[in-house]
Amino acid sequence: KNEVEQSPQNLTAQEGEFITINCSYSVGISALHWLQQHPGGGIVSLFMLSSGKKKHGRLIATINIQEKHSSLHITASHPRDSAVYICAPKGAGGTSYGKLTFGQGTILTVHP
Amino acid sequence: KAGVTQTPRYLIKTRGQQVTLSCSPISGHRSVSWYQQTPGQGLQFLFEYFSETQRNKGNFPGRFSGRQFSNSRSEMNVSTLELGDSALYLCASSLAGQGAEGYTFGSGTRLTVV
Repeated sequence: KNEVEQSPQNLTAQEGEFITINCSYSVGISALHWLQQHPGGGIVSLFMLSSGKKKHGRLIATINIQEKHSSLHITASHPRDSAVYICAPKGAGGTSYGKLTFGQGTILTVHP
Repeated sequence: KAGVTQTPRYLIKTRGQQVTLSCSPISGHRSVSWYQQTPGQGLQFLFEYFSETQRNKGNFPGRFSGRQFSNSRSEMNVSTLELGDSALYLCASSLAGQGAEGYTFGSGTRLTVV
């Protein structure tokens, strides 16, 4: 079983739809990052969470430390949101300390 | 402020050769970490450097090595290249790599081994 499980792996939406991407992890973490990767490879860090909820424009990220679960929501999705979204927890102890591990990514395609 | 700079952007090497990739962090950032991204394995942690010391290492063979200089710039080296080393290599910098700090990623170096 992977340490980080993301769902769904692929997501297709119509412009304006509300999007949710889920991430479950098994290790103790100090923080969790949500990353966005566009074709061409560049990665942008969207959020870094250690508790609660953060909002940036149309993007909202939440984390439940006790349940080891995080979600990324996109309200009023737009074609420019089409990208791969990757969940990346950072280990807090043991052999995972200080290391980012990664979900397999969610490929989001938003059609106009 | 300038972002994280990785050079070169693209590289083609032959099996058996070695390669050196460079990463210049954001000014003031002292932690540099390296990642490999392949279609099959996704993103994987290679190693992390802080103040010229390797502080963390992923599960990669000894052919993968790195170092960090006093100005925080980092290089990674892959010796005896194999076809499976073809990947996008990304580095990221942060202030000190501690706990809940943010990361800034470079654009990556795309390595093709033929």
